[in-house]
Amino acid sequence: GAGVSQTPSNKVTEKGKYVELRCDPISGHTALYWYRQSLGQGPEFLIYFQGTGAADDSGLPNDRFFAVRPEGSVSTLKIQRTERGDSAVYLCASSPTAADTQYFGPGTRLTVL
Amino acid sequence: DQQVKQNSPSLSVQEGRISILNCDYTNSMFDYFLWYKKYPAEGPTFLISISSIKDKNEDGRFTVFLNKSAKHLSLHIVPSQPGDSAVYFCAASEGQGAQKLVFGQGTRLTINP
Repeated sequence: GAGVSQTPSNKVTEKGKYVELRCDPISGHTALYWYRQSLGQGPEFLIYFQGTGAADDSGLPNDRFFAVRPEGSVSTLKIQRTERGDSAVYLCASSPTAADTQYFGPGTRLTVL
Repeated sequence: DQQVKQNSPSLSVQEGRISILNCDYTNSMFDYFLWYKKYPAEGPTFLISISSIKDKNEDGRFTVFLNKSAKHLSLHIVPSQPGDSAVYFCAASEGQGAQKLVFGQGTRLTINP
C-alpha cells in the first residue's frame, strides 16, 4: 500500500516568507508526527497528533511554527517569518495507533535564503 | 543536551563481516529503544527495537543488545551485505507507547565488496 507522502519534496524560500508543508499519512493511521532533521543530526521531534488534536507540541521551537490536522488525516506544518536557521529536512511519520511503530515519509527539504 | 549519542559518524565494513553500531544514552527514563535505517532521499525505516526488560532482541541478521547499567546499546549486523549501506539512527523513548522519539546523530555504514 501507499506509504507516507510529503509535498513538496523541496521548497526554497526567502527569509521572512511564510511556508506550508503537507503530509499525507498512511490511510487509517490515527497518529501523526512531525520531526525536523538538520544537517548532520538525527530527527528532532516537533509535534504529535492523535486524531485531529495536537497531543504533544512540546518540540515546536517557537510560535512561528504551527501545525494542523483538521480532519484527522492530512496535516500541514506552517512556518511564519522563516529564518535561515529553519533550513532543514522536515519529516512526517504516522502510525496505526500511538503505541505502534512510526512510519516515515521521505521529507520536505526546506531552504531559507 | 544530546540525550542519545552515536559517537561514530561513519563505519566501513567488509561484505560478509559483522557490523557493530553503537549508541549511548543519558536519560535513565528511556525504556524503549529502536534502530532506524535511512537511505538517501528516503525517510527512516524501522529496523528493530528492544524494551528495557530485555537485554537482547534478534531478527534475522540483525541483533540489538542493551546494557542498561552502562546506558549503552548496539546493533549487530551479520553477515553484512552491500544493501546494508545506509545511515543508521538509534532512537529512544520513555515507554513503548511514547510518541516522542529522541534520535542520535546517526552512523553512516558502508559495506565494501
